Amino acid sequence: ETGVTQSPTHLIKTRGQQVTLRCSSQSGHNTVSWYQQALGQGPQFIFQYYREEENGRGNFPPRFSGLQFPNYSSELNVNALELDDSALYLCASTADTTDTQYFGPGTRLTVL
Amino acid sequence: SQQGEEDPQALSIQEGENATMNCSYKTSINNLQWYRQNSGRGLVHLILIRSNEREKHSGRLRVTLDTSKKSSSLLITASRAADTASYFCATVPPGNTDKLIFGTGTRLQVFP
Repeated sequence: ETGVTQSPTHLIKTRGQQVTLRCSSQSGHNTVSWYQQALGQGPQFIFQYYREEENGRGNFPPRFSGLQFPNYSSELNVNALELDDSALYLCASTADTTDTQYFGPGTRLTVL
Repeated sequence: SQQGEEDPQALSIQEGENATMNCSYKTSINNLQWYRQNSGRGLVHLILIRSNEREKHSGRLRVTLDTSKKSSSLLITASRAADTASYFCATVPPGNTDKLIFGTGTRLQVFP
């Protein structure tokens, strides 16, 4: 167990809808990163937050947005869902003193 | 986009045999990490090797890094059926963001 949890486990949405995915990091981990993993591919970096500020972003459009809260929880929001957004979404938390990222079990999003 | 490629894409071996997976990447790195993923769920951190290191060991795992060739290898000795999983290398570029750039992964099947 990594101490990182995500909810929900599975989610089905239709094209055009909006979705919010949640992550609870390990206590004391000030960095949270989000990744998208399409079927059969490696995860791709979406963005990273450090102490509630965005600290880097991958090649994803603005309809992917995030929030990090002082209680070590965070959200990934996706607006105007597209079919290609169907994927496993992973969050990972990192302590200030290490480079190791601890991943949650992921949320599998299906867009119909 | 993926940072690099892993070779082979799939590997099948018998219990007790050694498994070797290779990873190539494209740009300079701060460190390189290996992760394991079971059945499309969360990733488990296995080992981290920094750009100024050449070899690291952890239990049955041995990782090498050749920055001149931009490549790394992961050796699992005396494999077990429980080692069956997908294995990903991930690089961290120089800078303040700890984003991981993943390869395409190797699917390892260990038969009892």
